[in-house]
Amino acid sequence: DAGVTQSPTHLIKTRGQQVTLRCSPISGHKSVSWYQQVLGQGPQFIFQYYEKEERGRGNFPDRFSARQFPNYSSELNVNALLLGDSALYLCASSPGTAFYGYTFGSGTRLTVV
Amino acid sequence: AQTVTQSQPEMSVQEAETVTLSCTYDTSESDYYLFWYKQPPSRQMILVIRQEAYKQQNATENRFSVNFQKAAKSFSLKISDSQLGDAAMYFCAYRSLANFGNEKLTFGTGTRLTIIP
Repeated sequence: DAGVTQSPTHLIKTRGQQVTLRCSPISGHKSVSWYQQVLGQGPQFIFQYYEKEERGRGNFPDRFSARQFPNYSSELNVNALLLGDSALYLCASSPGTAFYGYTFGSGTRLTVV
Repeated sequence: AQTVTQSQPEMSVQEAETVTLSCTYDTSESDYYLFWYKQPPSRQMILVIRQEAYKQQNATENRFSVNFQKAAKSFSLKISDSQLGDAAMYFCAYRSLANFGNEKLTFGTGTRLTIIP
């Protein structure tokens, strides 16, 4: 079975640009969450979606947005990129029922120059 | 808001020996989940072990076990018979059960574990 897949793997953007990151959860998983991991720190929660509804939002500015599609895949959008947005963005999925921990993807490394 | 603290930025252990990684957390809740995740250079976070707060028995998974002290809000990870493949960043994480359906994890800052051959 395929795990959580994220695309692209690496990305370089210029300050002020917009970026879209994509995530496909494990088959059958209805819950998708996004985390930002700055170098040397633990992941920080950005969003969680379950069956296309937002279930949680972390302390991130409105430049960050996300959505979930009927097939449970998800996109994370970041507008007006800042140098500080450079990080590893992790997507995680779970069945959305009894929660025993996420399955994470390998992330998208975003560099803002 | 809950916080998770990992006070050991780096640890090292000889291959085949035992090492313990520390984690403390702050919460006013009585029911929650705790996790240890491993992040090797491949970047993917891998679930190592989980503990439900209402269970007094410490969780074990093969060579990995935890020492869960609820009153002290402590959740340490013991790795026995350390292997070269255990080298990674280890993150402690907390999940509140206060908000139904919210699966937010709060992570600590991590401990980098080095295995010495």
